[in-house]
Amino acid sequence: DAGVIQSPRHEVTEMGQEVTLRCKPISGHNSLFWYRQTMMRGLELLIYFNNNVPIDDSGMPEDRFSAKMPNASFSTLKIQPSEPRDSAVYFCASSLVGLSYEQYFGPGTRLTVT
Amino acid sequence: KNEVEQSPQNLTAQEGEFITINCSYSVGISALHWLQQHPGGGIVSLFMLSSGKKKHGRLIATINIQEKHSSLHITASHPRDSAVYICAVIHTGNQFYFGTGTSLTVIP
Repeated sequence: DAGVIQSPRHEVTEMGQEVTLRCKPISGHNSLFWYRQTMMRGLELLIYFNNNVPIDDSGMPEDRFSAKMPNASFSTLKIQPSEPRDSAVYFCASSLVGLSYEQYFGPGTRLTVT
Repeated sequence: KNEVEQSPQNLTAQEGEFITINCSYSVGISALHWLQQHPGGGIVSLFMLSSGKKKHGRLIATINIQEKHSSLHITASHPRDSAVYICAVIHTGNQFYFGTGTSLTVIP
């Protein structure tokens, strides 16, 4: 298996622009997680899905952030409008089922908002 | 107040040394993860624990639920073990809390 795939790997955009990050989980995994990592706040869980359904989005910082999982093999994290404080590395991970199983992380998307 | 505290924050060791990284938490948990983040940024899940002890190669992870404490041990450390090690706990309310990480450097 190719592992968790994220795209793009790097994104540079201007403040106010819409940003869409993409993730393809490992085939057969039923849970998908979006994380954000910054120097100031470390690693944070933004949202996770079980069987394509959002279970907990309490980590999503504000309404500018939204995540979807239209099918078992694809998820997006959208930021609209983007702000400089959104600059971070965004990781996607997947697991067989839920939080209490081993998670496999994608390589991350490094987002820079100028 | 951090729900998860790791120590030490930074650790430098000579190759071959036995290394221990500690994680203490203040909430009731259903499971605990140890993650490894390499200098290039990639994250690997090392262990998921809910009780007892697990071993994988030179890595050993233990957890004491009563004391709310977990340790990650590395035997016969090697420069390729240099990374940031992150402890993360799953609160019984299904929230995820992360430690700030321990930066390990193993010198040849």
